[in-house]
Amino acid sequence: DAGVTQSPTHLIKTRGQQVTLRCSPKSGHDTVSWYQQALGQGPQFIFQYYEEEERQRGNFPDRFSGHQFPNYSSELNVNALLLGDSALYLCASSFLPGTTPLDTQYFGPGTRLTVL
Amino acid sequence: RKEVEQDPGPFNVPEGATVAFNCTYSNSASQSFFWYRQDCRKEPKLLMSVYSSGNEDGRFTAQLNRASQYISLLIRDSKLSDSATYLCVVNKAAGNKLTFGGGTRVLVKP
Repeated sequence: DAGVTQSPTHLIKTRGQQVTLRCSPKSGHDTVSWYQQALGQGPQFIFQYYEEEERQRGNFPDRFSGHQFPNYSSELNVNALLLGDSALYLCASSFLPGTTPLDTQYFGPGTRLTVL
Repeated sequence: RKEVEQDPGPFNVPEGATVAFNCTYSNSASQSFFWYRQDCRKEPKLLMSVYSSGNEDGRFTAQLNRASQYISLLIRDSKLSDSATYLCVVNKAAGNKLTFGGGTRVLVKP
């Protein structure tokens, strides 16, 4: 049973560039959430996708956008990169919130983005 | 004020000792509570959910105090492998947006 996978594992970009990160959810899961974790801090919620639509969004600018595909995999896009976007980007998958008792989310290994 | 607050530590713990730490949350409507463990440069992994009546999983005990809005984690008989950052996580009532604390770092030493 494959867990959550993310690609690439590491990425180096320069300011102003655009980046796309990818995530495949755990088998059977239909909901994908993205988080940003800066060094020394806890993960911060970016947004969540279900049925190819954004269901919830955290306090992130429109430079951060996403997409979910029919097979439930997801992409996170960040435009006009800033130095402050350097972080570990985590994808978490789950069943649709409210359909299971605990709404447990499982995290992928993350993509470490460095913006120079 | 942050929604979920934790003492960042580090808590330096002798091997075999007991360590306990708390986290506080500000949203009284929060419904689900979790402790995640995160090793250096790795993803968070679910350690345990926290139930209203308190719950235990081996050497780990979690407690929830809704009146005072805090969650605690106690680790007994600490092992070197318990060294990690422990993230307190709260799930708001209206969906599945997880809100994380900044983490408490625990270092277990021989």
